[in-house]
Amino acid sequence: NAGVMQNPRHLVRRRGQEARLRCSPMKGHSHVYWYRQLPEEGLKFMVYLQKENIIDESGMPKERFSAEFPKEGPSILRIQQVVRGDSAAYFCASSEGAGAEKLFFGSGTQLSVL
Amino acid sequence: GENVEQHPSTLSVQEGDSAVIKCTYSDSASNYFPWYKQELGKRPQLIIDIRSNVGEKKDQRIAVTLNKTAKHFSLHITETQPEDSAVYFCAASSPGTYKYIFGTGTRLKVLA
Repeated sequence: NAGVMQNPRHLVRRRGQEARLRCSPMKGHSHVYWYRQLPEEGLKFMVYLQKENIIDESGMPKERFSAEFPKEGPSILRIQQVVRGDSAAYFCASSEGAGAEKLFFGSGTQLSVL
Repeated sequence: GENVEQHPSTLSVQEGDSAVIKCTYSDSASNYFPWYKQELGKRPQLIIDIRSNVGEKKDQRIAVTLNKTAKHFSLHITETQPEDSAVYFCAASSPGTYKYIFGTGTRLKVLA
């Protein structure tokens, strides 16, 4: 079991570009969560998805951010027109069932906006 | 809104001593409390968790205690070793929600 896979590990973008972060959950897991971690801070919930459905996006900024988890393929977190404040580590987690117990995290994507 | 406070933010202990990290949560409906260990540049890893119907749980050198009345829970690491050095995060989640509320982390340094 390869665990939660995220790519890329590091992503550098210039202001105004788009960032696409990918996450493949653990085998057998159909629930995906995205968290953002700013330097020296805890993880902040962004969005929870099941296959083809956004269940809770209460932590997502209203503009420029979107997420999807298609029937086939990885979950994608998309950030349009990135700004310096978007620089952070973005972690994906997955769980076997709903209710957010036993989350297993990926290694994260470190986004740097120049 | 929901909030989890974590103390201390940094903690240095001598190898072999015990370390205690404390968290307080605001949502009285919270019923699941995991602890994660994050080494520099790595993923958060679940080290222990406790549910609200249990007051204490132990796994080798690690234990977690929960006081529902006071709404706080603590991580205890005994006989600390240098490899215990990392940032530790507590979290809380409530039934019907799908997210963890994380504390701000404790940087533990075990001095050899």
